Amino acid sequence: QKEVEQDPGPLSVPEGAIVSLNCTYSNSAFQYFMWYRQYSRKGPELLMYTYSSGNKEDGRFTAQVDKSSKYISLFIRDSQPSDSATYLCAMIVLAGGTSYGKLTFGQGTILTVHP
Amino acid sequence: DVKVTQSSRYLVKRTGEKVFLECVQDMDHENMFWYRQDPGLGLRLIYFSYDVKMKEKGDIPEGYSVSREKKERFSLILESASTNQTSMYLCASSLQREKLFFGSGTQLSVL
Repeated sequence: QKEVEQDPGPLSVPEGAIVSLNCTYSNSAFQYFMWYRQYSRKGPELLMYTYSSGNKEDGRFTAQVDKSSKYISLFIRDSQPSDSATYLCAMIVLAGGTSYGKLTFGQGTILTVHP
Repeated sequence: DVKVTQSSRYLVKRTGEKVFLECVQDMDHENMFWYRQDPGLGLRLIYFSYDVKMKEKGDIPEGYSVSREKKERFSLILESASTNQTSMYLCASSLQREKLFFGSGTQLSVL
């Protein structure tokens, strides 16, 4: 079983829709959670990050972490064609253990927002 | 802005060749990483380095080695390229281990 599971999609939505992207994880030592966005023929770029359970908002993007369920989500409100990209969740153990210091990525979800 | 530059965008090599992938960052970051990205498998860590001349194996180091002689440069070496090493290779750097800055990637094809 992979430590981080992410539905690869592809996901296709109309412009203006609310998008929900999700990851589940099995390693309870993960402490820090991130979402990266990767446009075609580019490297991933950090979109959002959070330490704690709960919601973190940045403009049209909301990152949600539920540590008790080992589940993280990224919501995109009022989605735009420019949001079309691959979205990768990532997480890291920051203190001790064999996973220390190594970022573990989900497989990535391909999102297309059509006009 | 942080800039991570990978020397080649596309590379075609033959089985058995020795392959060098070069990566340079311009922000004095301590940490540098090499990942490969394959459809359905996501990003997998090959090697990382947290200081000059230091290196640590990632999750899939077999068939690869690395070199970090200067802080800004991190090289990935395929000692004897094989077809199963055909992939997108991504270099990244960071000041804090969790916030990575990626290059645009090198698409390597081994024939």
